[in-house]
Amino acid sequence: DAGVIQSPRHEVTEMGQEVTLRCKPISGHDYLFWYRQTMMRGLELLIYFNNNVPIDDSGMPEDRFSAKMPNASFSTLKIQPSEPRDSAVYFCASSRGPSGANVLTFGAGSRLTVL
Amino acid sequence: GQNIDQPTEMTATEGAIVQINCTYQTSGFNGLFWYQQHAGEAPTFLSYNVLDGLEEKGRFSSFLSRSKGYSYLLLKELQMKDSASYLCAVKAAGNKLTFGGGTRVLVKP
Repeated sequence: DAGVIQSPRHEVTEMGQEVTLRCKPISGHDYLFWYRQTMMRGLELLIYFNNNVPIDDSGMPEDRFSAKMPNASFSTLKIQPSEPRDSAVYFCASSRGPSGANVLTFGAGSRLTVL
Repeated sequence: GQNIDQPTEMTATEGAIVQINCTYQTSGFNGLFWYQQHAGEAPTFLSYNVLDGLEEKGRFSSFLSRSKGYSYLLLKELQMKDSASYLCAVKAAGNKLTFGGGTRVLVKP
Protein backbone atom coordinates (compact mmCIF):
# COMPACT_ATOMS: atom_id res chain seq x y z
CA ASP A 1 0.00 0.00 0.00
CA ALA A 2 1.41 3.39 -1.00
CA GLY A 3 -0.13 5.14 2.00
CA VAL A 4 -1.77 8.56 1.87
CA ILE A 5 -0.33 10.56 -1.02
CA GLN A 6 -0.23 14.34 -0.99
CA SER A 7 0.89 16.85 -3.58
CA PRO A 8 2.64 19.15 -3.89
CA ARG A 9 5.15 18.53 -1.10
CA HIS A 10 6.25 22.13 -1.16
CA GLU A 11 4.54 25.22 -2.53
CA VAL A 12 5.74 28.78 -2.47
CA THR A 13 3.31 31.39 -3.74
CA GLU A 14 2.55 35.05 -3.50
CA MET A 15 -0.23 36.60 -1.50
CA GLY A 16 -3.48 36.68 -3.45
CA GLN A 17 -2.75 33.60 -5.54
CA GLU A 18 -4.92 30.49 -5.53
CA VAL A 19 -3.45 27.37 -3.94
CA THR A 20 -4.73 23.83 -4.48
CA LEU A 21 -3.52 20.94 -2.35
CA ARG A 22 -4.31 17.38 -3.33
CA CYS A 23 -4.73 14.11 -1.47
CA LYS A 24 -5.21 10.47 -2.36
CA PRO A 25 -6.33 8.42 0.66
CA ILE A 26 -5.51 4.79 1.32
CA SER A 27 -7.72 2.52 -0.78
CA GLY A 28 -10.67 1.26 1.26
CA HIS A 29 -10.53 4.05 3.81
CA ASP A 30 -13.86 5.85 4.06
CA TYR A 31 -12.81 8.76 6.26
CA LEU A 32 -10.59 11.59 5.05
CA PHE A 33 -9.27 14.45 7.19
CA TRP A 34 -7.49 17.72 6.43
CA TYR A 35 -5.28 19.14 9.19
CA ARG A 36 -3.09 22.25 9.36
CA GLN A 37 0.02 22.45 11.53
CA THR A 38 1.84 25.59 12.68
CA MET A 39 4.24 26.26 15.53
CA MET A 40 1.78 28.60 17.19
CA ARG A 41 -1.42 26.57 16.89
CA GLY A 42 -0.24 22.99 16.61
CA LEU A 43 -2.22 20.44 14.60
CA GLU A 44 -5.73 21.73 13.84
CA LEU A 45 -8.54 19.80 12.18
CA LEU A 46 -9.95 21.78 9.27
CA ILE A 47 -12.55 19.41 7.82
CA TYR A 48 -13.33 15.73 7.51
CA PHE A 49 -15.32 13.61 5.07
CA ASN A 50 -17.08 10.26 5.37
CA ASN A 51 -17.86 8.44 2.14
CA ASN A 52 -17.00 11.62 0.21
CA VAL A 53 -19.49 13.74 2.18
CA PRO A 54 -18.24 16.61 4.39
CA ILE A 55 -19.21 15.84 8.00
CA ASP A 56 -17.60 18.63 10.01
CA ASP A 57 -16.08 21.77 8.50
CA SER A 58 -16.15 23.83 11.70
CA GLY A 59 -12.36 24.12 11.62
CA MET A 60 -12.18 25.79 8.23
CA PRO A 61 -10.82 29.25 9.03
CA GLU A 62 -12.89 31.32 6.65
CA ASP A 63 -14.54 31.46 3.27
CA ARG A 64 -11.19 31.59 1.52
CA PHE A 65 -10.81 27.89 2.31
CA SER A 66 -12.79 25.19 0.55
CA ALA A 67 -12.46 21.40 0.34
CA LYS A 68 -13.97 18.85 -1.98
CA MET A 69 -13.98 15.10 -2.33
CA PRO A 70 -15.40 14.21 -5.75
CA ASN A 71 -14.70 10.49 -5.32
CA ALA A 72 -13.32 7.98 -2.86
CA SER A 73 -9.75 8.33 -4.08
CA PHE A 74 -9.25 12.08 -4.35
CA SER A 75 -9.69 15.25 -2.31
CA THR A 76 -8.61 18.86 -2.70
CA LEU A 77 -8.12 21.75 -0.31
CA LYS A 78 -8.22 25.12 -1.98
CA ILE A 79 -7.22 28.53 -0.64
CA GLN A 80 -8.32 31.54 -2.67
CA PRO A 81 -6.96 34.14 -2.23
CA SER A 82 -3.98 33.02 -0.16
CA GLU A 83 -2.50 35.17 2.62
CA PRO A 84 0.85 34.99 4.48
CA ARG A 85 -0.91 33.73 7.63
CA ASP A 86 -1.95 30.62 5.68
CA SER A 87 1.70 29.49 5.67
CA ALA A 88 1.72 26.08 7.38
CA VAL A 89 2.08 22.36 6.76
CA TYR A 90 -1.18 20.87 5.56
CA PHE A 91 -1.69 17.18 6.30
CA CYS A 92 -4.23 14.84 4.82
CA ALA A 93 -5.09 11.68 6.76
CA SER A 94 -7.44 8.76 6.21
CA SER A 95 -8.97 5.96 8.28
CA ARG A 96 -11.34 3.05 7.90
CA GLY A 97 -14.71 3.05 9.64
CA PRO A 98 -16.09 5.04 12.56
CA SER A 99 -14.88 2.76 15.34
CA GLY A 100 -12.95 4.54 18.04
CA ALA A 101 -9.95 2.30 17.54
CA ASN A 102 -9.52 3.16 13.89
CA VAL A 103 -6.16 4.80 13.41
CA LEU A 104 -5.55 7.86 11.28
CA THR A 105 -2.75 7.43 8.77
CA PHE A 106 -1.18 10.71 7.69
CA GLY A 107 0.30 11.73 4.39
CA ALA A 108 3.72 13.35 4.24
CA GLY A 109 2.20 16.82 4.20
CA SER A 110 2.26 19.85 1.92
CA ARG A 111 4.40 22.72 3.17
CA LEU A 112 2.86 26.01 2.02
CA THR A 113 4.69 29.32 2.12
CA VAL A 114 2.76 32.44 1.15
CA LEU A 115 4.96 35.48 0.57
CA GLY B 1 -15.52 21.62 22.93
CA GLN B 2 -12.26 19.97 23.85
CA ASN B 3 -9.20 21.08 25.81
CA ILE B 4 -6.01 19.02 25.79
CA ASP B 5 -2.93 19.97 27.82
CA GLN B 6 0.56 18.50 27.71
CA PRO B 7 3.99 19.91 28.59
CA THR B 8 5.78 21.77 25.85
CA GLU B 9 9.21 20.22 26.21
CA MET B 10 11.09 17.56 28.18
CA THR B 11 14.73 16.52 28.25
CA ALA B 12 16.05 13.11 29.26
CA THR B 13 19.21 11.04 29.04
CA GLU B 14 19.75 8.09 26.76
CA GLY B 15 18.74 4.88 28.53
CA ALA B 16 16.48 6.65 31.01
CA ILE B 17 12.68 6.72 31.34
CA VAL B 18 10.45 9.67 30.51
CA GLN B 19 6.75 10.12 31.28
CA ILE B 20 4.68 12.55 29.24
CA ASN B 21 1.42 13.58 30.87
CA CYS B 22 -1.75 14.64 29.09
CA THR B 23 -4.92 16.01 30.64
CA TYR B 24 -8.08 16.54 28.69
CA GLN B 25 -11.62 17.83 28.93
CA THR B 26 -14.04 16.64 26.32
CA SER B 27 -17.72 16.33 25.57
CA GLY B 28 -17.98 12.74 24.46
CA PHE B 29 -15.07 10.31 24.59
CA ASN B 30 -14.27 7.61 22.08
CA GLY B 31 -10.61 6.94 22.85
CA LEU B 32 -7.21 8.55 23.39
CA PHE B 33 -4.29 8.27 21.01
CA TRP B 34 -0.59 9.01 21.18
CA TYR B 35 1.31 9.90 18.01
CA GLN B 36 5.02 10.43 17.44
CA GLN B 37 6.22 13.11 15.05
CA HIS B 38 9.85 13.56 14.05
CA ALA B 39 10.88 16.98 12.81
CA GLY B 40 9.75 17.55 9.24
CA GLU B 41 7.74 14.35 9.10
CA ALA B 42 4.12 13.27 9.49
CA PRO B 43 2.68 12.03 12.79
CA THR B 44 2.73 8.25 13.18
CA PHE B 45 0.53 6.18 15.47
CA LEU B 46 1.97 4.89 18.75
CA SER B 47 -0.89 3.78 21.01
CA TYR B 48 -4.61 3.78 21.69
CA ASN B 49 -6.52 3.61 24.99
CA VAL B 50 -10.26 3.53 25.44
CA LEU B 51 -10.54 1.68 28.77
CA ASP B 52 -8.83 2.61 32.03
CA GLY B 53 -5.45 1.05 32.58
CA LEU B 54 -2.08 0.48 31.03
CA GLU B 55 -1.35 -0.62 27.46
CA GLU B 56 2.19 -1.84 26.87
CA LYS B 57 3.86 -2.05 23.51
CA GLY B 58 7.57 -2.75 23.68
CA ARG B 59 9.46 0.20 25.14
CA PHE B 60 6.34 2.38 25.02
CA SER B 61 3.37 2.20 27.41
CA SER B 62 0.27 4.37 27.65
CA PHE B 63 -2.07 4.79 30.60
CA LEU B 64 -5.60 6.16 30.77
CA SER B 65 -7.89 7.28 33.58
CA ARG B 66 -11.20 8.40 32.12
CA SER B 67 -12.59 9.63 35.45
CA LYS B 68 -9.59 11.95 35.88
CA GLY B 69 -9.32 12.96 32.22
CA TYR B 70 -5.69 11.92 32.35
CA SER B 71 -3.27 9.90 30.28
CA TYR B 72 0.47 9.41 30.16
CA LEU B 73 2.93 7.98 27.68
CA LEU B 74 5.93 6.20 29.18
CA LEU B 75 9.07 5.81 27.13
CA LYS B 76 11.59 3.35 28.56
CA GLU B 77 15.23 2.69 27.66
CA LEU B 78 15.37 5.94 25.75
CA GLN B 79 17.29 5.98 22.49
CA MET B 80 18.55 8.96 20.52
CA LYS B 81 16.01 8.19 17.80
CA ASP B 82 13.21 8.82 20.33
CA SER B 83 13.93 12.56 20.10
CA ALA B 84 10.65 13.78 18.60
CA SER B 85 7.36 15.44 19.43
CA TYR B 86 4.70 13.31 21.10
CA LEU B 87 1.11 14.28 20.45
CA CYS B 88 -1.82 13.38 22.68
CA ALA B 89 -5.13 13.23 20.81
CA VAL B 90 -8.69 12.65 21.94
CA LYS B 91 -11.42 11.18 19.78
CA ALA B 92 -14.86 12.56 20.50
CA ALA B 93 -18.08 11.17 19.13
CA GLY B 94 -18.29 11.10 15.36
CA ASN B 95 -14.70 10.08 14.68
CA LYS B 96 -13.29 13.59 15.21
CA LEU B 97 -9.69 13.48 16.50
CA THR B 98 -8.39 16.59 18.30
CA PHE B 99 -4.69 16.97 19.08
CA GLY B 100 -2.87 18.62 21.94
CA GLY B 101 0.01 20.96 21.27
CA GLY B 102 2.59 18.20 21.52
CA THR B 103 5.55 17.57 23.82
CA ARG B 104 9.01 17.88 22.33
CA VAL B 105 11.33 15.28 23.87
CA LEU B 106 15.06 15.78 23.57
CA VAL B 107 17.22 12.75 24.34
CA LYS B 108 20.79 13.59 25.31
CA PRO B 109 23.75 11.18 25.26
